[in-house]
This record gives sequence, C-alpha cells and structure tokens, in this order.
Amino acid sequence: DVKVTQSSRYLVKRTGEKVFLECVQDMDHENMFWYRQDPGLGLRLIYFSYDVKMKEKGDIPEGYSVSREKKERFSLILESASTNQTSMYLCASRIRGPSMNTEAFFGQGTRLTVV
Amino acid sequence: AQSVTQLGSHVSVSEGALVLLRCNYSSSVPPYLFWYVQYPNQGLQLLLKYTTGATLVKGINGFEAEFKKSETSFHLTKPSAHMSDAAEYFCAVSAPWGYQKVTFGTGTKLQVIP
Repeated sequence: DVKVTQSSRYLVKRTGEKVFLECVQDMDHENMFWYRQDPGLGLRLIYFSYDVKMKEKGDIPEGYSVSREKKERFSLILESASTNQTSMYLCASRIRGPSMNTEAFFGQGTRLTVV
Repeated sequence: AQSVTQLGSHVSVSEGALVLLRCNYSSSVPPYLFWYVQYPNQGLQLLLKYTTGATLVKGINGFEAEFKKSETSFHLTKPSAHMSDAAEYFCAVSAPWGYQKVTFGTGTKLQVIP
C-alpha cells in the first residue's frame, strides 16, 4: 500500500522559532509537494520538488523554504514562525511523466499552531 | 496556467437524495482532472480521476464524474447520499505531465441531513 508519512500530526511552536515539517514517501515518486490548507482557501501550493535537490516555488512561498536531500524525503522549513503560519500543512507525492497513475498521494497532515 | 472553480462552499442534501458538486476548470492544455475527499482531521483521498479516454469516470463509494470539454466542467455526482458521505470535497487539475503541479479548488463541504 502506498504511503506518505508526515512526522507530526499536531505541533505547537512559539513565534520566532525555526520549525521543520518532515515528509517521507515509500513510492519512489520523483515529485513531492507541500500544500497549506486554510478554511475557504482550499489547498495552496507552497513549494514542490521534481527531483533530489531540485525545487520550485509554488503560489505562496514567502516565509518558507524546503529541502530535498533524498528522493523519499521532503522537508518544509519555517525559518521564523509567525502566527499567520498557523495552518494545516499537507505533503503529497506524485509520479513524474505521463501515466495513468498520476494522482497525488497525500499524508495525514500536520496541524501547526504558532503562539 | 490552470485553475479550478468549485461552485458552492457548502452543500446540504437529504439522505438518499442526489449529490451534485460542481467544478469548472481552466487549462491551456488537455487537462487531467481529479476529485478528492477529506474527512475531518485526515489527509486527502482520491475519489476518481480523468486522464484520457472515457469521459464518464466512476470512482469509489458510488461517486462518478463526467468530463465535458465544451463546458469545461467536471461535476461530481452520486445518485443517493449516505450519512458517511459528509466530508469536504476538492476538485483538482493538472497538465498531463507528471512533473507539473496539481492545482486545487477551494473545496465544498457536503452536509447530509438524516
């Protein structure tokens, strides 16, 4: 069974802290994504990566960075957490190239609260 | 560029009634289209997808969707709602190349009234 695992379901951090959200997939997918989910706004793409050490900005990259040192792992970093980054964060992975199995697979989400 | 518009942030139906959730897309290339469901405090689960071929797509839990190119629509339907269908539903679009991002709509919360 395919699996995307996020390291934490719930996190509470203080303003100004550096925060790491970790995501691991076991499907050998080339592409990985970080989305942020807020009520009424749906899922908004923060960053995605199409290969090891490669990254592309999504729609709302400000205040975030990412790291992909290994194919199976994609980390989201909040350099200095702020209260407006309180949200649900969803990691996803997806196979690259034309394929019938081209959907994105999601982790369970990390609900981050910044106080 | 691609985008998705979901009409109605909240939809209420009676148990046993037809479910219709609307999705319109915009894409400069032939799109891949998806519907996902999210139950409270969980990640997203794929309901169904359209890539190529048959325009009427059947998914899990009795849901189906029809790709209508002329209307740029991909509406989700289920003939008879069940209480367990109460969840949030997201329509999504991507270009038919896997390295491209998947763009999501704002979601529709489905309430099923007993």
